[in-house]
Amino acid sequence: KNQVEQSPQSLIILEGKNCTLQCNYTVSPFSNLRWYKQDTGRGPVSLTIMTFSENTKSNGRYTATLDADTKQSSLHITASQLSDSASYICVVSDPGGGNKLTFGTGTQLKVEL
Amino acid sequence: DSGVTQTPKHLITATGQRVTLRCSPRSGDLSVYWYQQSLDQGLQFLIQYYNGEERAKGNILERFSAQQFPDLHSELNLSSLELGDSALYFCASSVVQASSGELFFGEGSRLTVL
Repeated sequence: KNQVEQSPQSLIILEGKNCTLQCNYTVSPFSNLRWYKQDTGRGPVSLTIMTFSENTKSNGRYTATLDADTKQSSLHITASQLSDSASYICVVSDPGGGNKLTFGTGTQLKVEL
Repeated sequence: DSGVTQTPKHLITATGQRVTLRCSPRSGDLSVYWYQQSLDQGLQFLIQYYNGEERAKGNILERFSAQQFPDLHSELNLSSLELGDSALYFCASSVVQASSGELFFGEGSRLTVL
């Protein structure tokens, strides 16, 4: 069964600090890997999308990396802000068509003063 | 604003009842997806429609059904509701297939079954 596992499950950091969230997946083959940010009670919003041939993708203070050989991805947040408090979801899709998206359960990040 | 509109935002009902959730996709998007997110759970795919036709099914209960209309809006019908159906229901849309294109989510409909 294709799986996407994220770690840590939750994380608390101080404002201004950096952090890195991890995603391990078993989906194979896969066509792309995405990171979404979901504020509490809101819909997920796309941060980055990487194809299997891309190693890194940035979106402002968010930088995602991908190692297709080890089936690992990470999301690095630089100079965190209070507004970064949210759940970060890793999603992997395969090239088979249809809605073959596998969602991780997310990392809950809290940024404190 | 993703451009995907969901109504109602909140809904409280009793067990055994039936509700309908509505979704208007982004202009130009042909695919509509429905997801369920229970408390502290990941997003669970329910069903996908493409240009009016069912394209893929996920973990959708037989008590649930959906359809996509000619104007591309979609409705998710939940019947014989149980306490465990309480969740956030998200609609998402994309131009073609979610696996290859960008997926845009609505703000969700929060269903509470008492």
